[in-house]
Amino acid sequence: AQSVTQLDSQVPVFEEAPVELRCNYSSSVSVYLFWYVQYPNQGLQLLLKYLSGSTLVKGINGFEAEFNKSQTSFHLRKPSVHISDTAEYFCAVSASFQKLVFGTGTRLLVSP
Amino acid sequence: DTGVSQDPRHKITKRGQNVTFRCDPISEHNRLYWYRQTLGQGPEFLTYFQNEAQLEKSRLLSDRFSAERPKGSFSTLEIQRTEQGDSAMYLCASLGQGHTGELFFGEGSRLTVL
Repeated sequence: AQSVTQLDSQVPVFEEAPVELRCNYSSSVSVYLFWYVQYPNQGLQLLLKYLSGSTLVKGINGFEAEFNKSQTSFHLRKPSVHISDTAEYFCAVSASFQKLVFGTGTRLLVSP
Repeated sequence: DTGVSQDPRHKITKRGQNVTFRCDPISEHNRLYWYRQTLGQGPEFLTYFQNEAQLEKSRLLSDRFSAERPKGSFSTLEIQRTEQGDSAMYLCASLGQGHTGELFFGEGSRLTVL
């Protein structure tokens, strides 16, 4: 079985500052990794995914994530955040494209 | 591509009543998923269908919960004899053939059990 740990429930940051949202996973088999974002009163939408190949993955809205197999991590980064990035961010893992297992989420709060 | 739609968006009911949620996936997506999300938690897998076949059910899905996808298109999730602990956001997602793992989510159906 797979599991995901997002240790930070909330990350406050000032506008234009860099941010990193941490994600660690556990699995006995190879996995695919995803980051989803959920804006208030909206459905989840995909930010980026790692399936294979380059471990640095670029997504929408200037986000990127790096897959680190030895550390079983898939941290999400953005060099300069905007107020509009305020949202809930979920890391998810899948072993077989059958279902996604999500973490508990990290609320990113961007203030002026 | 009109996206995944869910109905109703909000439902308030009294304990003991039955409720039904409907999900219309992206057309021609053969896989359909139901998740449940409570406050402060990530989405928890409930069940999924490939076409009309229900392939997996979570232990979270008690006997009071039933899901169907009779013609391999829309799906319904019924909760019988609702309890206050059933209050949550119920999310539907779909996945197409030739997929690369991305689930497309609807905006969810929020259930409040009084």
